[in-house]
Amino acid sequence: AQSVTQLDSQVPVFEEAPVELRCNYSSSVSVYLFWYVQYPNQGLQLLLKYLSGSTLVKGINGFEAEFNKSQTSFHLRKPSVHISDTAEYFCAVSDGGATNKLIFGTGTLLAVQP
Amino acid sequence: ETGVTQSPTHLIKTRGQQVTLRCSSQSGHNTVSWYQQALGQGPQFIFQYYREEENGRGNFPPRFSGLQFPNYSSELNVNALELDDSALYLCASSLDQGRGETQYFGPGTRLLVL
Repeated sequence: AQSVTQLDSQVPVFEEAPVELRCNYSSSVSVYLFWYVQYPNQGLQLLLKYLSGSTLVKGINGFEAEFNKSQTSFHLRKPSVHISDTAEYFCAVSDGGATNKLIFGTGTLLAVQP
Repeated sequence: ETGVTQSPTHLIKTRGQQVTLRCSSQSGHNTVSWYQQALGQGPQFIFQYYREEENGRGNFPPRFSGLQFPNYSSELNVNALELDDSALYLCASSLDQGRGETQYFGPGTRLLVL
């Protein structure tokens, strides 16, 4: 069975500082990996996804993530955060099976302080 | 291009009642997935519809049921509501059910069961 672990429930960071949000997954098959962002009282918006190929994936809003198969990780990074990046971030995995269902982690709240 | 829309935005019901939530998929998308997001948790997969047929189901009881219409819009029905059904219900549409297809989420319907 697949699972996703987001070790940090909350990450406080000062504006213009770099940030890394951690995600580890467990799966016995090849996976597809996603990062979604959820702003208060809104649905989820895709930041980026890894399907295959280059392990460094660039997404929207200056975010990027690196797929590490040996460490079963897919950490999200941004070199300089803004106040507007304050939101909940979810890592998700899919095995690309018949349903392509997403299995989400419990989320990390990125709290950017001025 | 219109994104995924959901109605209503908020709903209050009492225990034992029935509820119907609606979702309009993004133009050209034939696959709709429903997720339940409890407070402080990541979304959990309920089921998926592909071309009007149920295409996979998560670990939810049969009182959670759904429909997909010829225009690919969808409904989620929940019978015999329980207090634990209080959550944000998210609908996501995708171009197809294929591997790694991006799921585009609507803003959600927040259901409160009293």
